Amino acid sequence: DTGVSQDPRHKITKRGQNVTFRCDPISEHNRLYWYRQTLGQGPEFLTYFQNEAQLEKSRLLSDRFSAERPKGSFSTLEIQRTEQGDSAMYLCASSRQTGTGELFFGEGSRLTVL
Amino acid sequence: GNSVTQMEGPVTLSEEAFLTINCTYTATGYPSLFWYVQYPGEGLQLLLKATKADDKGSNKGFEATYRKETTSFHLEKGSVQVSDSAVYFCALSDYPDSWGKLQFGAGTQVVVTP
Repeated sequence: DTGVSQDPRHKITKRGQNVTFRCDPISEHNRLYWYRQTLGQGPEFLTYFQNEAQLEKSRLLSDRFSAERPKGSFSTLEIQRTEQGDSAMYLCASSRQTGTGELFFGEGSRLTVL
Repeated sequence: GNSVTQMEGPVTLSEEAFLTINCTYTATGYPSLFWYVQYPGEGLQLLLKATKADDKGSNKGFEATYRKETTSFHLEKGSVQVSDSAVYFCALSDYPDSWGKLQFGAGTQVVVTP
């Protein structure tokens, strides 16, 4: 399978714990995006990378959130000191830098904070 | 700021019925418009897009026309199948350089019954 893969698919944690999600994009894609989706809502943009550079961060990305893409390949999204409001589906997508405007999404990582 | 409004679901139809999902937007400049679809258990995938006024996007029997005068991008299909059951998201991007930063609507669930 050469699509976008995310791990873990589901994470249950207690409030105050740290969690980390991993995204492996399509190999030839140099752009990588993180979105968050809560129940009944559309995805909301969090941040994106071009190669290893993080080019933009949404105001939704508080200080407790950090994303990295150290070698321009896979990316991690870490949430520190989780809160119940962090419960959501975290989506990763990738794309070429130029092209048709199409994002390729993974199936998401669902976070439940108890 | 930018926003996308789409009709609430669920929309329940019989097979071979005509489907319309309304989508209107607010944006500065000249956004690109998209419809993404999420089938059960799968990641979001691009259904169709239009990048300028009066463009018509089409794919898999679905069509949508970019109407600048009414700021709309309604999705239509003439004869739906059970396999079209999914959640449909209207989205826009108005940054030519970072077009992957999408603003999504809340999604419309479509249920097609045999």
